[in-house]
Amino acid sequence: DVKVTQSSRYLVKRTGEKVFLECVQDMDHENMFWYRQDPGLGLRLIYFSYDVKMKEKGDIPEGYSVSREKKERFSLILESASTNQTSMYLCASKGQLQETQYFGPGTRLLVL
Amino acid sequence: GDSVTQMEGPVTLSEEAFLTINCTYTATGYPSLFWYVQYPGEGLQLLLKATKADDKGSNKGFEATYRKETTSFHLEKGSVQVSDSAVYFCALSDAKTSYDKVIFGPGTSLSVIP
Repeated sequence: DVKVTQSSRYLVKRTGEKVFLECVQDMDHENMFWYRQDPGLGLRLIYFSYDVKMKEKGDIPEGYSVSREKKERFSLILESASTNQTSMYLCASKGQLQETQYFGPGTRLLVL
Repeated sequence: GDSVTQMEGPVTLSEEAFLTINCTYTATGYPSLFWYVQYPGEGLQLLLKATKADDKGSNKGFEATYRKETTSFHLEKGSVQVSDSAVYFCALSDAKTSYDKVIFGPGTSLSVIP
């Protein structure tokens, strides 16, 4: 069975802290994605990666960076967390020739 | 650019009622269309999809037909159950590259009461 895992289900951080969110998939997928989900706004793409060490900005990359050192792992980094980054963060992966994305359970981040 | 519009809800129905969630899209090409579902406390999972005009996607009693003439992909179920309570997302993918984006609608929250 397909599996995407995220390092934490809930996180509480303080303004200015550096935050790491990790995502791991076991399907040997080439493509990985980070979204944030906010009420009324649906899912918005932050960054995606189509190969190891490759990354592309999504629609809302400001305040975020990513790292993909290994194929199965895609990390989202908040360099200096701010209260407007309080959100649900969802990771997804997809095979190169597939259309369906597979999602992790999400990390609910609260920045105080 | 490409976009997806869907009724936001929340939608509240009694068990065994008929469900329709409207979804319309704007796309320059010929997109694939999806419905994803998010159960409480979980990530999204694919419910059904259709890849070309007049295709019907179906799964777990849910259906949606790709209507190119009305640019719509409405989700329907004849008799909902309490276990169908979730948030439903309409989405499109206009495949141009292997790592093309999926555009999601805002989601529609459904509550089914016994």
